[in-house]
Amino acid sequence: AQSVTQPDIHITVSEGASLELRCNYSYGATPYLFWYVQSPGQGLQLLLKYFSGDTLVQGIKGFEAEFKRSQSSFNLRKPSVHWSDAAEYFCAVGARSSASKIIFGSGTRLSIRP
Amino acid sequence: NAGVTQTPKFRVLKTGQSMTLLCAQDMNHEYMYWYRQDPGMGLRLIHYSVGEGTTAKGEVPDGYNVSRLKKQNFLLGLESAAPSQTSVYFCASRDPGQSTDTQYFGPGTRLTVL
Repeated sequence: AQSVTQPDIHITVSEGASLELRCNYSYGATPYLFWYVQSPGQGLQLLLKYFSGDTLVQGIKGFEAEFKRSQSSFNLRKPSVHWSDAAEYFCAVGARSSASKIIFGSGTRLSIRP
Repeated sequence: NAGVTQTPKFRVLKTGQSMTLLCAQDMNHEYMYWYRQDPGMGLRLIHYSVGEGTTAKGEVPDGYNVSRLKKQNFLLGLESAAPSQTSVYFCASRDPGQSTDTQYFGPGTRLTVL
């Protein structure tokens, strides 16, 4: 079955600390992978995406993610978080061949400790 | 260039009432989607469309209908609202082109059914 798992419901990190949000997927076809961020009361904004090529992808706001096929993972990282990074983060997986099959994880809420 | 817009932003309905949510995009995207977002469940696909005049069911279509009479608009209808349809609804459009296959989201509609 196709699925996306974000094992951490809520994470709190101190401002300036490093961050890693986990994402594991199960997908039959060659996956496209995405990370979105949602600020309170807002829609989803794309942080970064992986289609092919270099497995380390850079996104906006200083985020990066690494695709590890052997581990079926696409973890999101940031070396030093800012208070403005507090938001909910969603991992998603899709296939270019399918219009419908973009599957979202349940999200990880990030809080920043001053 | 407004991107993806949704109307209305908030709505309160009584059980059994009907309403239509409007999504509009000005990016000439072929694909459009309606999702609902509930706490701890991420985004679930209700219906989607791969072009003007076409619609298809997603993961949770029951109780909803959609229409795509114009390429830029995708309407979501609730014929007889139920409390279980209390949720935040997001519309998205997608460009399936090779280098920019990304979903763009609207700001959401918060619906409460009493």
